[in-house]
Amino acid sequence: GNSVTQMEGPVTLSEEAFLTINCTYTATGYPSLFWYVQYPGEGLQLLLKATKADDKGSNKGFEATYRKETTSFHLEKGSVQVSDSAVYFCAPDTGRRALTFGSGTRLQVQP
Amino acid sequence: KAGVTQTPRYLIKTRGQQVTLSCSPISGHRSVSWYQQTPGQGLQFLFEYFSETQRNKGNFPGRFSGRQFSNSRSEMNVSTLELGDSALYLCASSQGGGEDTQYFGPGTRLTVL
Repeated sequence: GNSVTQMEGPVTLSEEAFLTINCTYTATGYPSLFWYVQYPGEGLQLLLKATKADDKGSNKGFEATYRKETTSFHLEKGSVQVSDSAVYFCAPDTGRRALTFGSGTRLQVQP
Repeated sequence: KAGVTQTPRYLIKTRGQQVTLSCSPISGHRSVSWYQQTPGQGLQFLFEYFSETQRNKGNFPGRFSGRQFSNSRSEMNVSTLELGDSALYLCASSQGGGEDTQYFGPGTRLTVL
């Protein structure tokens, strides 16, 4: 079955620091890849997606590139803000609307 | 366009009871998926409904069931509640084709005492 490995958190950064959250996956075929974010007490919000190899998803300054050869979809942001503090989830979808989520990476941004 | 809505937002039940949670998808979306989120197991897929039919099911016991109505609204039911069923239950809607994007609701926080 599908599986996702995310870097363990919490990741603690100062405001304006560079962010990388690693994600690697195993899946059948070539899934669409998603990053979701969960703020305290809320559901999941779609952050970005990529549907094929070498696609780059981007949103709100976050970027991730679909790397088929390394089965990775690392999340990056050039300058984090306190408001980015949340839990980030990587998830592949092989087309059955059954997302497989990683364990989540908690990001804490300090002013 | 209104997002995915879930009711109730919070629920407290006791062991042995049953519970029904409701999810209204984004207008025009025909697929509804349900997920359970717990600190120990993380986010796990429960099942997916499309056009009133269950299309996909995760690895949960039969106490967990669901249904979908003709207007695409969905309910999930948990019977004979156990302490371990305490969780955040999230539903997500999508148009239902291929690898389309799922949009999540705010969740229902279920506490079993």
